[in-house]
Amino acid sequence: GAGVSQSPRYKVAKRGQDVALRCDPISGHVSLFWYQQALGQGPEFLTYFQNEAQLDKSGLPSDRFFAERPEGSVSTLKIQRTQQEDSAVYLCASSFFRTGSTDTQYFGPGTRLTVL
Amino acid sequence: AQTVTQSQPEMSVQEAETVTLSCTYDTSENNYYLFWYKQPPSRQMILVIRQEAYKQQNATENRFSVNFQKAAKSFSLKISDSQLGDTAMYFCAFMEVGYALNFGKGTSLLVTP
Repeated sequence: GAGVSQSPRYKVAKRGQDVALRCDPISGHVSLFWYQQALGQGPEFLTYFQNEAQLDKSGLPSDRFFAERPEGSVSTLKIQRTQQEDSAVYLCASSFFRTGSTDTQYFGPGTRLTVL
Repeated sequence: AQTVTQSQPEMSVQEAETVTLSCTYDTSENNYYLFWYKQPPSRQMILVIRQEAYKQQNATENRFSVNFQKAAKSFSLKISDSQLGDTAMYFCAFMEVGYALNFGKGTSLLVTP
């Protein structure tokens, strides 16, 4: 019954390291979204899953970014060879899915990634 | 591509007063949804209110209401009887059916005693 959870809440990485960010959506939510929020900006779309299928990854900024949701529940966003410009808050959101309609997205608290 | 514009980077209002946050958007679609999200300093994004474009009636949630002008592509948020806990970043967002949210840059609202 809890909301969307994300871990870790804070991550500091040295440039060139790989990181993995985890998202636990609300139970029963079919749709899962990842967003990137730079300091002082609105969130920007990264990628979208419907169950385990990644239907849209058009927002991923480079091939260093990779997301998966193998069992249609928990999702992991992986960033390889981190760069300073990857520093941001990464938000996960989930929602129900109904054909032809749109349900509200519920957001997690985010993971603040700082790349030194 | 859809764009969402929030022209007020910062606003301030006294407790118990009313404030209106502006939002305009650009789309060629006819079926879409509009949202206002609140992001307090703790950074958890919380839904304030949503509006379906096919509905002519403006959405209302307690002290929060919207003025949706479809022809003008305008979607403003009115907060009545402002409270200290309303202090936050407010994001206007647009969504086509089944797609991701497209956010504006946000308005930082400060409610003062």
